[in-house]
Amino acid sequence: GEDVEQSLFLSVREGDSSVINCTYTDSSSTYLYWYKQEPGAGLQLLTYIFSNMDMKQDQRLTVLLNKKDKHLSLRIADTQTGDSAIYFCAEDPGGYQKVTFGIGTKLQVIP
Amino acid sequence: EADIYQTPRYLVIGTGKKITLECSQTMGHDKMYWYQQDPGMELHLIHYSYGVNSTEKGDLSSESTVSRIRTEHFPLTLESARPSHTSQYLCATRGGSGNTEAFFGQGTRLTVV
Repeated sequence: GEDVEQSLFLSVREGDSSVINCTYTDSSSTYLYWYKQEPGAGLQLLTYIFSNMDMKQDQRLTVLLNKKDKHLSLRIADTQTGDSAIYFCAEDPGGYQKVTFGIGTKLQVIP
Repeated sequence: EADIYQTPRYLVIGTGKKITLECSQTMGHDKMYWYQQDPGMELHLIHYSYGVNSTEKGDLSSESTVSRIRTEHFPLTLESARPSHTSQYLCATRGGSGNTEAFFGQGTRLTVV
């Protein structure tokens, strides 16, 4: 079945860049998402990338996709304390098929 | 702004009680989902629905049941709560086919004592 893997923790200093990595197994993935979950809250979509793209930039966020290696990364430039949260990678084959989420990477930003 | 609501936000209940977690959306989305999330753990899909009168079990076996009598509502029921049901329950909706993000509710944090 589909599987999405992420490392559990990442700690960075305020102002540095953060890179959160994700690997997935479903080669039919059409969309790949990054969700952010702040303490006590639901998940909020941060950004997404189509599988036919290599890179997408959105302000401080850069998503890189290596489709050959099925590797997705999220780079947050100039990381702020407000970026401390859990970041979920998710892959979506599209249509009515379900979205598969990773376990989430907890980002800790040290002031 | 996503219009999906979960009630209650927090619930502490005794073992053996019957509880219903409410999820409502005003976006007219066909697809609705329930996820269970233990602290520091991944999201597990426990139920989903693709429309009225459609419900399916997810990847993680759950003793809960769901119903979808109306598009707007997707309640989750536990007939007899147990401490092992202590978790956070997240409801989500998605729109039609194509690139559609999932909108999540704020979650219900359930504690069974």
